[in-house]
Amino acid sequence: DGGITQSPKYLFRKEGQNVTLSCEQNLNHDAMYWYRQDPGQGLRLIYYSQIVNDFQKGDIAEGYSVSREKKESFPLTVTSAQKNPTAFYLCASSTLAGTQYFGPGTRLLVL
Amino acid sequence: QQQVKQSPQSLIVQKGGISIINCAYENTAFDYFPWYQQFPGKGPALLIAIRPDVSEKKEGRFTISFNKSAKQFSLHIMDSQPGDSATYFCAAASHNTGTASKLTFGTGTRLQVTL
Repeated sequence: DGGITQSPKYLFRKEGQNVTLSCEQNLNHDAMYWYRQDPGQGLRLIYYSQIVNDFQKGDIAEGYSVSREKKESFPLTVTSAQKNPTAFYLCASSTLAGTQYFGPGTRLLVL
Repeated sequence: QQQVKQSPQSLIVQKGGISIINCAYENTAFDYFPWYQQFPGKGPALLIAIRPDVSEKKEGRFTISFNKSAKQFSLHIMDSQPGDSATYFCAAASHNTGTASKLTFGTGTRLQVTL
């Protein structure tokens, strides 16, 4: 069954803690993306990757880090430097210059 | 900063009515305009998309109208149904062959279709 999976569905972060959100796709897409969604706002791009071992900052990259060691996987780490991490995080993938398809999202909450 | 402005923020339409959501953009390099539908707690799903070489695209009850000179595009939902109640996002991107497309999203419209 092809698609994009994100885990966990809910994640709780303690102050000063780094947490990692998982994103996996089996669509054979070259490009992957991470977005942040806050209530009443559109999606904002955090990072994106066009190819393995390469990634680019989006509009709101501060306090986040990513890696792209495999074509299928694009994990996002929310570091302790991100002072307002509570949000709904969405991963997407696409062929190069193609339509972006989104995963089901991870909701991050701060304890 | 590149922006896509979306209105209205919320919309209530009676069943069978027409829902209209509008977006305006600034960057003339944008050449791809998708609309996404999102249900609560779910990821957005592509609804319909248009490129500026056509002024209108229709898929079932959903139609995109595009006005290149005004830098505006809109989504029309005909015969709106309660199942259409969701948040709708317009977006825009500059598509370059062989590169990832960075989508710029509007702020969303929450549509409620009443019985």
